[in-house]
Amino acid sequence: NAGVMQNPRHLVRRRGQEARLRCSPMKGHSHVYWYRQLPEEGLKFMVYLQKENIIDESGMPKERFSAEFPKEGPSILRIQQVVRGDSAAYFCASSPSRVGGPSYNEQFFGPGTRLTVL
Amino acid sequence: QQQVKQSPQSLIVQKGGISIINCAYENTAFDYFPWYQQFPGKGPALLIAIRPDVSEKKEGRFTISFNKSAKQFSLHIMDSQPGDSATYFCAARDGGATNKLIFGTGTLLAVQP
Repeated sequence: NAGVMQNPRHLVRRRGQEARLRCSPMKGHSHVYWYRQLPEEGLKFMVYLQKENIIDESGMPKERFSAEFPKEGPSILRIQQVVRGDSAAYFCASSPSRVGGPSYNEQFFGPGTRLTVL
Repeated sequence: QQQVKQSPQSLIVQKGGISIINCAYENTAFDYFPWYQQFPGKGPALLIAIRPDVSEKKEGRFTISFNKSAKQFSLHIMDSQPGDSATYFCAARDGGATNKLIFGTGTLLAVQP
């Protein structure tokens, strides 16, 4: 049973380019979360999505960042016109449906994408 | 109010000793408190979690103690091993429509052989 998958694992971009980070949730999970981890810091919530819906984007920067979770395919976190301050590890997590089951609160994390902006 | 404060920032423990990491929160709407373990270059892995209606939960060598009135919770690692050396994060779930986790700043644990 595969866990949360993220790709690429490492991504290098020059300032001004676009970064696309992909996340495939665990099988049977319909909720996806994106978190950002700056060096030597904890994880900061960015966005919470269900299929075709953004539920909570309170942690997303107002500009240049967007996220989607289409009906088919992985969730995508997109960063346009990257700047050096975007360099971080970006983690995706998934959880089962909130309704029913003992583990609905549990979020399982992927290995992350480490973005470096030159 | 959305913060989770974690201490200590780093911890050195001898093999076989007890590691204790503490967290405190303000928001009484938090309704679920997980602990994650993270090794360098890896994603956080769920270790153990507790809900506020329980004062203690034990799984193997790992125990969470929860004090609802003080709004504090802690992770105890009994018989600490070198393989436990990692960064530990406490977190709290923001109850309501969102399921987002608010993380502490992490504790780097080193268990010396």
